Amino acid sequence: AQSVTQLGSHVSVSEGALVLLRCNYSSSVPPYLFWYVQYPNQGLQLLLKYTSAATLVKGINGFEAEFKKSETSFHLTKPSAHMSDAAEYFCAVSDGTGGFKTIFGAGTRLFVKA
Amino acid sequence: DAGVTQSPTHLIKTRGQQVTLRCSPKSGHDTVSWYQQALGQGPQFIFQYYEEEERQRGNFPDRFSGHQFPNYSSELNVNALLLGDSALYLCASSLRTGDRPNEKLFFGSGTQLSVL
Repeated sequence: AQSVTQLGSHVSVSEGALVLLRCNYSSSVPPYLFWYVQYPNQGLQLLLKYTSAATLVKGINGFEAEFKKSETSFHLTKPSAHMSDAAEYFCAVSDGTGGFKTIFGAGTRLFVKA
Repeated sequence: DAGVTQSPTHLIKTRGQQVTLRCSPKSGHDTVSWYQQALGQGPQFIFQYYEEEERQRGNFPDRFSGHQFPNYSSELNVNALLLGDSALYLCASSLRTGDRPNEKLFFGSGTQLSVL
């Protein structure tokens, strides 16, 4: 069965510092992997997705993620944090074995300090 | 182009009551998924509708049921409400492409359900 584990429920960085949010997945077949962001009182919006093309995926707002099959990881990074990046981030997986559904991790809340 | 719209935005019910939540998918989308997001947690998959049928279901009891209409809009019904049903209910739409899993979900802002 597909699953996602996000390491760290809270991450705090200073403005301008590197952002690293960790995600590990479990899937019996090559998965599709996603990062979504949720701002307060809003739904989720897609940051980026991996669908078996390039292993380094670039998304919106300067975020990128690298698919590492050997580590079953899909960590999200951004070179320089901005105050507007403060939000909840969710890693998600969809691999078709469980049907057409997307499974989300528990989320990591990113705090950005001035 | 309207995105995913959900109604109502907030709802307060008491234990034992029934509730119906509504979702209109993004224009051109044919698949609707429902998620429950408890405070401080990730969205939990409830079920997915395509071609007016429930296609996939998560680990939720039969008290949770749904429907999809010919215009692709959808309803989520919850019977015999429990305190633990208090959560943000999110609707997500997508366009199914053959046998490939959903590549991109578009989410509504959700319905905040409080059960007292």
